[in-house]
Amino acid sequence: ETGVTQSPTHLIKTRGQQVTLRCSSQSGHNTVSWYQQALGQGPQFIFQYYREEENGRGNFPPRFSGLQFPNYSSELNVNALELDDSALYLCASSPSEGLSSMKQYFGPGTRLTVT
Amino acid sequence: QKEVEQNSGPLSVPEGAIASLNCTYSDRGSQSFFWYRQYSGKSPELIMFIYSNGDKEDGRFTAQLNKASQYVSLLIRDSQPSDSATYLCAVIKSSGDKLTFGTGTRLAVRP
Repeated sequence: ETGVTQSPTHLIKTRGQQVTLRCSSQSGHNTVSWYQQALGQGPQFIFQYYREEENGRGNFPPRFSGLQFPNYSSELNVNALELDDSALYLCASSPSEGLSSMKQYFGPGTRLTVT
Repeated sequence: QKEVEQNSGPLSVPEGAIASLNCTYSDRGSQSFFWYRQYSGKSPELIMFIYSNGDKEDGRFTAQLNKASQYVSLLIRDSQPSDSATYLCAVIKSSGDKLTFGTGTRLAVRP
């Protein structure tokens, strides 16, 4: 158990719909990163939030957006869902300072299926 | 060239043997290196972190880093069937940066 929680666990949506995924970071961690993991692939970086600001973004279109709240929890929003968005969405939290800030701890993930 | 490369496997070893998992990376600016274990249907679990050349041991796990050769490996001694999983290699350039993952190596430990 990493202390990182995500909701919901599973979700089925229809193409064109919008979805919001949620993440609560581990206590004391103020940096949250989101990753997409397609079947048989390694996780791909979507974006990172630090102190409520986006702090880096991967190669994902603008319909992927996010938020971080003052308690460091975070949301990932995906608009206009496409079939290829079907994946495991992972949230990872890390502390902001020191060598340990490089260590990212993952939540259980949200399995999104787009039909 | 992929940023982080791993053999997808499966790597099959008998119970009690040493499993050796390898990873190469392309960016010489990479500073820290990670091994995550991922069971089927679960999320990645951090098992090893290394940033200096040489070996780092933690229980049955040893991570080896060679920055000159841009190579990092994971050795699992006395492999157990419960070690059967996909092992993901990841690299990071600096604190606060993203993790870049390989596609993972599937390990199967035969009883």
